[in-house]
Order: sequence, then structure tokens, then C-alpha cells
Amino acid sequence: DTAVSQTPKYLVTQMGNDKSIKCEQNLGHDTMYWYKQDSKKFLKIMFSYNNKELIINETVPNRFSPKSPDKAHLNLHINSLELGDSAVYFCASSQVENTEAFFGQGTRLTVV
Amino acid sequence: LAKTTQPISMDSYEGQEVNITCSHNNIATNDYITWYQQFPSQGPRFIIQGYKTKVTNEVASLFIPADRKSSTLSLPRVSLSDTAVYYCLVNPSGTYKYIFGTGTRLKVLA
Repeated sequence: DTAVSQTPKYLVTQMGNDKSIKCEQNLGHDTMYWYKQDSKKFLKIMFSYNNKELIINETVPNRFSPKSPDKAHLNLHINSLELGDSAVYFCASSQVENTEAFFGQGTRLTVV
Repeated sequence: LAKTTQPISMDSYEGQEVNITCSHNNIATNDYITWYQQFPSQGPRFIIQGYKTKVTNEVASLFIPADRKSSTLSLPRVSLSDTAVYYCLVNPSGTYKYIFGTGTRLKVLA
């Protein structure tokens, strides 16, 4: 049983397209996150959601829109994809009172 | 949030003990110190967490001096499969934001 699962694992798409990445966690956690890891391997937080509500938006362009239909899911929709969006995107979850976060396996997005 | 500084890379040989030190001079009273491990093409994985003194689990030990301005992750008898990037994080409990630094790239040689 995968604790935090993301789909798809790989995504290759053309500039200007719109794409979505899905994330689900079966840990019963209240908080979910999206992280971006660029080619230099820096892991940077994008969004945090707690109980389906947006808590943190780290100055991410409006083209990125997270959606949390319920506590177990946090999807990431990206409009008008740009070359610079190419990266690995990680979903994670945690219980707020605990500092241990569980990460998914990542989605490697390549924009051509 | 406290900033962390760690060596960019380290090499070690199989069977050796590896110690990775992280500096966090402006750690706050309610901050915990947490270490994550990341293998290529995988998400980070929690290794160990501590507040002060020493914490040990089946994978590693974490040493934190009294002033808490640094911490040392100790990996006993490393193997090739311990080759990974190790991140030191300093976060308060109840955080909505895990800040990852540059990490330490550990390479274990045969």
C-alpha cells in the first residue's frame, strides 16, 4: 500500500498545454503539500493545504492551481505550460502536530 | 525559520561510520531538528528527528549539543545503498512548511 501516490509518474507535453497531476494519501493526514525540485535539485515548497484549505502559497504563478476535493487528495493543475516548468513535482502529507512528512515518488514533468 | 548549513558532499567507504553535521545558529526554542534522505528519482524519506541530546533509531543516531546550534547525523557502517542526499531541516512542530536546504550528497564507495 503506497502512502502517498502521484499520477502520472512521467509527463511530457508541449509549451502552452494545460496538464494536471493527481495526488492521494491514505495516511489520514490533515495537511498536504506540493513541492518542486528543479534541475539543480533544490526542493522548494509551492503550496500547503490543511483540511482542504490553502494555508501557504509560496509566490507560485497563477498558472498553478491546486485543488483539494477532500483531505486525502491534492491535485495540481498547470495552465499554459512553459519550458521553465520542467521539474520533478512531489506531493507530500503530514499531521500538523508532527514534523514527519511523507512524500510521493514524484512526477517528472518535461515541457518541450 | 532557521537556516541550515551542511557540507555539499561527502565520500565514504562501505562499513565506515559517517557523520554529517548541520549548522543552525538561529534555531528557535520550539524548533525540532529533522533529517531526510533522498535517493535518485524518489521523494525524500524521514530518517530521524530530535529536540536535544541524543536520539537513536534502527537507521541512525542524531546528536544535538546543549546549545542546539548544530546537529550531527550519524550513520553506522554505511553500505552502497546509503548513497543519497541527506537533508537537515529545522522546523517547529505544527509547521505547514518544510524548508529543505541544499543537502549533503553522500557517496559510499566499495
